[in-house]
Amino acid sequence: GAVVSQHPSRVICKSGTSVKIECRSLDFQATTMFWYRQFPKQSLMLMATSNEGSKATYEQGVEKDKFLINHASLTLSTLTVTSAHPEDSSFYICSASSPGLAGGLNEQFFGPGTRLTVL
Amino acid sequence: QQQVKQSPQSLIVQKGGIPIINCAYENTAFDYFPWYQQFPGKGPALLIAIRPDVSEKKEGRFTISFNKSAKQFSLHIMDSQPGDSATYFCAARGGNKLTFGTGTQLKVEL
Repeated sequence: GAVVSQHPSRVICKSGTSVKIECRSLDFQATTMFWYRQFPKQSLMLMATSNEGSKATYEQGVEKDKFLINHASLTLSTLTVTSAHPEDSSFYICSASSPGLAGGLNEQFFGPGTRLTVL
Repeated sequence: QQQVKQSPQSLIVQKGGIPIINCAYENTAFDYFPWYQQFPGKGPALLIAIRPDVSEKKEGRFTISFNKSAKQFSLHIMDSQPGDSATYFCAARGGNKLTFGTGTQLKVEL
């Protein structure tokens, strides 16, 4: 149980275009979803936290107008990278949690990641 | 204060050896300390986690040692195998947010 999927697994786009990444909790309802960014050989950096039906909370330094997050349902969150540029190329990972999972530990379950390359 | 420091950055052990990865934190509000394993091009997967009221937790070949007074915790991998070669991240949770360590690239050689 507690499976999180992401789509697409990898995407290549031209500079200036927008890209949407989907994150789905497949077998549970996620009250909270998180988006992370990971550069090669570096750690995961939290970009934003979103609760279903609410506006996302962005971490300091993350441009909310560039990284649009929508958490429209308890099983789906989307991250849209608007007007992407080569410096946005990275590995984007989502996670999902629910207070009722993992014995009430509110564990985060991670998706497989999406590799974005902006040319 | 939100940082989690992790060492070493990389580690090579022989098959059957016991790699040890260490982490230290400052924020005493952290209430949960998970370890994750990540293979190249994949998302992190939870290995084992501990709460600060416990000094040691063992699950299979993985053991966490936790020293609350020193604000340090470590991961031991018993009888390491080549399949354990991956990057390992410690993390600490405050509220509902995870702060990750910088990662340790482990290689287990035959």
